[in-house]
Amino acid sequence: NAGVTQTPKFRVLKTGQSMTLLCAQDMNHEYMYWYRQDPGMGLRLIHYSVGEGTTAKGEVPDGYNVSRLKKQNFLLGLESAAPSQTSVYFCASRKIDGGGETQYFGPGTRLLVL
Amino acid sequence: LAKTTQPISMDSYEGQEVNITCSHNNIATNDYITWYQQFPSQGPRFIIQGYKTKVTNEVASLFIPADRKSSTLSLPRVSLSDTAVYYCLVGDRENYGQNFVFGPGTRLSVLP
Repeated sequence: NAGVTQTPKFRVLKTGQSMTLLCAQDMNHEYMYWYRQDPGMGLRLIHYSVGEGTTAKGEVPDGYNVSRLKKQNFLLGLESAAPSQTSVYFCASRKIDGGGETQYFGPGTRLLVL
Repeated sequence: LAKTTQPISMDSYEGQEVNITCSHNNIATNDYITWYQQFPSQGPRFIIQGYKTKVTNEVASLFIPADRKSSTLSLPRVSLSDTAVYYCLVGDRENYGQNFVFGPGTRLSVLP
């Protein structure tokens, strides 16, 4: 049981390049989330998904797109990277049951846009 | 969204009990209170969650007064490894996305 994994761990892009960050979870959770975290700040929600084939915007969605073609995978795309998108990106999946709800986070992807 | 306010930083010594208080004056009836812990270069990790009164697990306790306008995370006998950032979140667990607002958190430093 790997939990939540993220690929890649680190990436350097030039302004205007595109890339896709992959998040995978093996816990069969319906809900998945993408956050970004800037130095010294809390996490900000970019996009989320409440199930396969669904996506929705979070707090800071501009410049990003997402897809949830399979339940276990949640992809975050940067169409044209900008220096302002330099950040650490965290993916999470969420479990809801009678005992409450919990988010499980991946190890993060560090992105540097030059 | 219920806004939360926490101290930006706290210092403690090994073996002491640490209490971190979070204010959430406009908490809604269906909102739960959840605390996460984040170590450097890692994603946040769930610590504890509660709705009212007191909740205890193997890691921490969560105290919630009757008016629910604040909550206190209590870490018993902290060690150096408890040095981390602690986040308080408030939200309706049925609201799938918009309730997840992580503020800057409380940076706890445990000193030897």
